[in-house]
Amino acid sequence: AQSVTQLDSQVPVFEEAPVELRCNYSSSVSVYLFWYVQYPNQGLQLLLKYLSGSTLVKGINGFEAEFNKSQTSFHLRKPSVHISDTAEYFCAVIPIKAAGNKLTFGGGTRVLVKP
Amino acid sequence: EAQVTQNPRYLITVTGKKLTVTCSQNMNHEYMSWYRQDPGLGLRQIYYSMNVEVTDKGDVPEGYKVSRKEKRNFPLILESPSPNQTSLYFCASSLEQHSYNSPLHFGNGTRLTVT
Repeated sequence: AQSVTQLDSQVPVFEEAPVELRCNYSSSVSVYLFWYVQYPNQGLQLLLKYLSGSTLVKGINGFEAEFNKSQTSFHLRKPSVHISDTAEYFCAVIPIKAAGNKLTFGGGTRVLVKP
Repeated sequence: EAQVTQNPRYLITVTGKKLTVTCSQNMNHEYMSWYRQDPGLGLRQIYYSMNVEVTDKGDVPEGYKVSRKEKRNFPLILESPSPNQTSLYFCASSLEQHSYNSPLHFGNGTRLTVT
């Protein structure tokens, strides 16, 4: 079984400041990793994913994440946030050989960008 | 426009009164899934379907039923709702069965309150 822990439930940040959202996972098998974003009153959208190769992954809207296998982490970063980045962010994993798109999600981190 | 459509967006009901939440996608996706989102718990999978007439349990299937008679539709049925099913529900679909090949597309959610 897999589990995903997002260490911060809420992160307030000022506009144009950097932000880092932490994600750690536990799994007995190799996994693929994802970050999804949920804007207010909307469904989730894929932000970025790590499948293989370079451990630094770039996604949409200026976000990037770094996979660290030894620390089983996949932290999300943005060097300068905008008001429009206010949203909830979910880290998720899926075993490489899983059937059924069985993503396991973390509890979410709510980002509030202040002017 | 390619989308996943859920109805209704909001639903308030009483314990034991059967209800159905509809989900329809217009992208000819093979895979469809239902999640519930609860604060601090992230999204948990209820049921999924790899194709027409093929459904399987996710992590929290108790108290729910689904059907997949047509490729585009995947309704969620609560035969006898209880207050612990008060939650935010999301339907999602993907072209293929595995999210690393094709990302999940989410509906905008259905907020269900059972009194």
